[in-house]
Amino acid sequence: EVQLVESGGGLVQPGGSLRLSCAASGFTFSSYDMHWVRQATGKGLEWVSAIGTAGDTYYPGSVKGRFTISRENAKNSLYLQMNSLRAGDTAVYYCARVVGSLHFDLWGRGTLVTVSS
Amino acid sequence: DIQMTQSPSSLSASVGDRVTITCRASQSISSYLNWYQQKPGKAPKLLIYAASSLQSGVPSRFSGSGSGTDFTLTISSLQPEDFATYYCQQSYSTSNLYTFGQGTKLEIK
Repeated sequence: EVQLVESGGGLVQPGGSLRLSCAASGFTFSSYDMHWVRQATGKGLEWVSAIGTAGDTYYPGSVKGRFTISRENAKNSLYLQMNSLRAGDTAVYYCARVVGSLHFDLWGRGTLVTVSS
Repeated sequence: DIQMTQSPSSLSASVGDRVTITCRASQSISSYLNWYQQKPGKAPKLLIYAASSLQSGVPSRFSGSGSGTDFTLTISSLQPEDFATYYCQQSYSTSNLYTFGQGTKLEIK
């Protein structure tokens, strides 16, 4: 089955760190650009980071310098290292696959990150 | 940075209605515009990509149009399962790659 499964979410204090993982299955993971998208409760979707097949990475200004996306093709896995976390980073984090004209055709179910003291 | 603005933010409609949601980009994005549907507690689902291409498995009552800065998502005859929140997303800018609109919540009248 073609799927993405996120893990690693949880409760973390402001200023803390967390590493999210996304396990891919059912497709050739190394052939696809991969992304993280987040959604705060009751809010809209916010793109968080992207990594290309060659390992090139991209971030919006809101997380640049604090978040690091990486991939391990041998393990069919995507990661998001989140440092210096803030209350505003509280959200469900989705990993997503990108195809064609840069649209997200496959999403995971998400993992909840809560930043609170 | 490219900003995406959807209208309306919310919409009430009845089963069988024809509904149109608009998305406007702050600068031209050619046809790099995608539409997603999201139901509560679920991940978004791709409906339309490249402004007007229907994703495999998506009912034909969904259609998209537009290019440049103005885009529309149309549902020709609303079904009960279509009540959800809809997001547009641009994939044109390489500096702010994947901006989403703020969403349009479609509710039952």
